[in-house]
Amino acid sequence: GDSVTQMEGPVTLSEEAFLTINCTYTATGYPSLFWYVQYPGEGLQLLLKATKADDKGSNKGFEATYRKETTSFHLEKGSVQVSDSAVYFCALSDYYGGSQGNLIFGKGTKLSVKP
Amino acid sequence: SQTIHQWPATLVQPVGSPLSLECTVEGTSNPNLYWYRQAAGRGLQLLFYSVGIGQISSEVPQNLSASRPQDRQFILSSKKLLLSDSGFYLCASKQGVGGTQYFGPGTRLLVL
Repeated sequence: GDSVTQMEGPVTLSEEAFLTINCTYTATGYPSLFWYVQYPGEGLQLLLKATKADDKGSNKGFEATYRKETTSFHLEKGSVQVSDSAVYFCALSDYYGGSQGNLIFGKGTKLSVKP
Repeated sequence: SQTIHQWPATLVQPVGSPLSLECTVEGTSNPNLYWYRQAAGRGLQLLFYSVGIGQISSEVPQNLSASRPQDRQFILSSKKLLLSDSGFYLCASKQGVGGTQYFGPGTRLLVL
């Protein structure tokens, strides 16, 4: 079945450092890909998404490009801030993959940014 | 855009007691609704989803149940809580097959 694999955390960076969180997927059909962010004690918020190959999702300085050839959707930010400290989840939705279009999540990567 | 309400925000319950968590959605109609559980320091586990009133699909066998009495209301219940039911419960809503899924603020449940 479909699955999402993202890098294990936690990731600790200094403010203004470059961030990459790796995410790869396996899917039967043509999935849409998502990054969600969860700040401490809160629910998940959609950060960005891409619905087809070569699409780039972007929001709040974060970017991720849908790479079908490498089945990847890595999250990047050029200069992180303390306020970016959160848990980041990669996810896919694949209606034709047997999951009824329900989101399939990676295990999450905790990011801590130090001043 | 959709707004998802969950209550209570925090709940402490003894083992063996009943549970009822409520989720309501505004700003959409006939959404797909979801209940997830997030144990401490772990990922998300899909518990139930519903594509319409009275229609519930269970993803994981357990002592929890879900109901959808109204189009925009989704309830998670248990007759007798276990210690392992502790966690952070998230309700989510999605409009249509290709829609974006939105999450509520969550309910933190501690079973003692």
